[in-house]
Amino acid sequence: KNEVEQSPQNLTAQEGEFITINCSYSVGISALHWLQQHPGGGIVSLFMLSSGKKKHGRLIATINIQEKHSSLHITASHPRDSAVYICAVPAQGGSEKLVFGKGTKLTVNP
Amino acid sequence: GAVVSQHPSWVICKSGTSVKIECRSLDFQATTMFWYRQFPKQSLMLMATSNEGSKATYEQGVEKDKFLINHASLTLSTLTVTSAHPEDSSFYICSAQQGLAGTDTQYFGPGTRLTVL
Repeated sequence: KNEVEQSPQNLTAQEGEFITINCSYSVGISALHWLQQHPGGGIVSLFMLSSGKKKHGRLIATINIQEKHSSLHITASHPRDSAVYICAVPAQGGSEKLVFGKGTKLTVNP
Repeated sequence: GAVVSQHPSWVICKSGTSVKIECRSLDFQATTMFWYRQFPKQSLMLMATSNEGSKATYEQGVEKDKFLINHASLTLSTLTVTSAHPEDSSFYICSAQQGLAGTDTQYFGPGTRLTVL
């Protein structure tokens, strides 16, 4: 079964800073998900990627399949980016079941 | 993008009562829906996988008689917590997937916070 490690666990930044959150997993996968969970609990799917890099607004996600590692970057961070960011991967190979990292709690101060 | 709704968003009930939570895919047909549970400060944990028209597949340790899942159509799945107890208090989240595993993303609902008194 895949195991997911995220770092850091908590991250505090000043508005405008460049943010990086890391995710490592143990078993080869078809795709990796980055999710955002707001303080109220609702979850938004940010990216699903299987190779290379994806960009959406100020968010950039990269993945290195060989190294089993992905990063989520936020450029020009803003207080509204404050949330928990969660990495998720298939439990096994091409399984549709996901296993989730424990999340990175990001706080962006004005 | 694809939207998944859940109803209710929060519910408080007395111990021993049953609670039904609905998960709907609003603008797409979901071949598969997933039900997750999240305790405070913990990761989401998969409870069960539901395919339209067939019985749900439950994860190890999840009581199928306590957590009844009905996936009656390609846009609706329901989770019923039967005879709820305080230890069932949690955040329940559903997700819906349109295509095949590895080719399509899961879209998550906003979650339902259940408090059992």
